[in-house]
Amino acid sequence: NAGVTQTPKFQVLKTGQSMTLQCAQDMNHNSMYWYRQDPGMGLRLIYYSASEGTTDKGEVPNGYNVSRLNKREFSLRLESAAPSQTSVYFCASSERISGPNQPQHFGDGTRLSIL
Amino acid sequence: DQQVKQNSPSLSVQEGRISILNCDYTNSMFDYFLWYKKYPAEGPTFLISISSIKDKNEDGRFTVFLNKSAKHLSLHIVPSQPGDSAVYFCAASVVSYGQNFVFGPGTRLSVLP
Repeated sequence: NAGVTQTPKFQVLKTGQSMTLQCAQDMNHNSMYWYRQDPGMGLRLIYYSASEGTTDKGEVPNGYNVSRLNKREFSLRLESAAPSQTSVYFCASSERISGPNQPQHFGDGTRLSIL
Repeated sequence: DQQVKQNSPSLSVQEGRISILNCDYTNSMFDYFLWYKKYPAEGPTFLISISSIKDKNEDGRFTVFLNKSAKHLSLHIVPSQPGDSAVYFCAASVVSYGQNFVFGPGTRLSVLP
């Protein structure tokens, strides 16, 4: 059972470079999410997609763009990477966006360093 | 200003004893709470949840207690096992707002054999 798969697992970029983080889920979930986790802080929501064809900003969207390519895939793009975007990025999915008993299932993360 | 706080960055407990992890929140509109467990180099995994209409939810060795008046919830693990050593995140949401969870900073639990 793959669940939520993120690629790559690690990446080092130079300031100003661009990059796309890939995420795919095989649980037929409708909703998908991108978080970042920084030391001493909880996970913060960057963007989410309630269903195929929709995306919305979360708490910290600046500097990022997303694409819900299809029901399975949700990518996160850094157009011009900055050192402040050094973080661990987690993708998650859930069966639907609202209601209790809808825990999110997380991938193993992408550790991104911007030099 | 953090809406979900976990004031203990770390906690050490002897194997077989009870582990109590605490979480405080400031937004009185939160009505759904979850605990996630995270091992190194892995994503968080869902552990247990509680709705604001309850004050307790139990699942095996894990029990979550909710005190709405104090805006406080706690996770009890009894008995603690070495495999429980992980970082535990508390998360909260307003159900009618959808799945925009707010996560606490986490507490690292170490269960000593």
